[in-house]
Amino acid sequence: GENVEQHPSTLSVQEGDSAVIKCTYSDSASNYFPWYKQELGKRPQLIIDIRSNVGEKKDQRIAVTLNKTAKHFSLHITETQPEDSAVYFCAAPGNDYKLSFGAGTTVTVRA
Amino acid sequence: NAGVTQTPKFRILKIGQSMTLQCTQDMNHNYMYWYRQDPGMGLKLIYYSVGAGITDKGEVPNGYNVSRSTTEDFPLRLELAAPSQTSVYFCASSYWDRDAEQYFGPGTRLTVT
Repeated sequence: GENVEQHPSTLSVQEGDSAVIKCTYSDSASNYFPWYKQELGKRPQLIIDIRSNVGEKKDQRIAVTLNKTAKHFSLHITETQPEDSAVYFCAAPGNDYKLSFGAGTTVTVRA
Repeated sequence: NAGVTQTPKFRILKIGQSMTLQCTQDMNHNYMYWYRQDPGMGLKLIYYSVGAGITDKGEVPNGYNVSRSTTEDFPLRLELAAPSQTSVYFCASSYWDRDAEQYFGPGTRLTVT
């Protein structure tokens, strides 16, 4: 299956600063890269995704970039707010189309 | 729509006991999944189903069984519970498997002692 590595495992940022999380994947055929956000004690929810035919996608304060040559994709959160504090997971499908998830990044936004 | 629902929310099992985790979705999704989430380990796929009557193993299927008799329901059965099965279990569903959003249930926190 797909091997997805996610860094860093924890990230602490000052409110208003930016946060960047990076994931690498192994299967060059992967073509869909979602990001899920999980607040404490809650279920994971999709916040943004990108397909391999584009290099960047934005949705208000969040953006995802994709580098297919290097096989990595990143989540960017700008102007961070306290409600951005959560665990973020990246994912990528393997050749069986099943998603493999990264280990997660715990983001803490300091007031 | 209720989306994906799971019962129970919490359960404590003794070693060797069995139980069934229930999962139901009302979105008419063909694809359903069971994941376990251990601290710092992300989500690991246990079993999945591409439609009623069809199931297949994921990454960590040992100690679990599933069935899919209807589109809506996808129960996960634990036989002979072991401490290594202590985890949070999430059920999810999607319209498509390749590039579709997965909708997760609220999770079941299971402790085996």
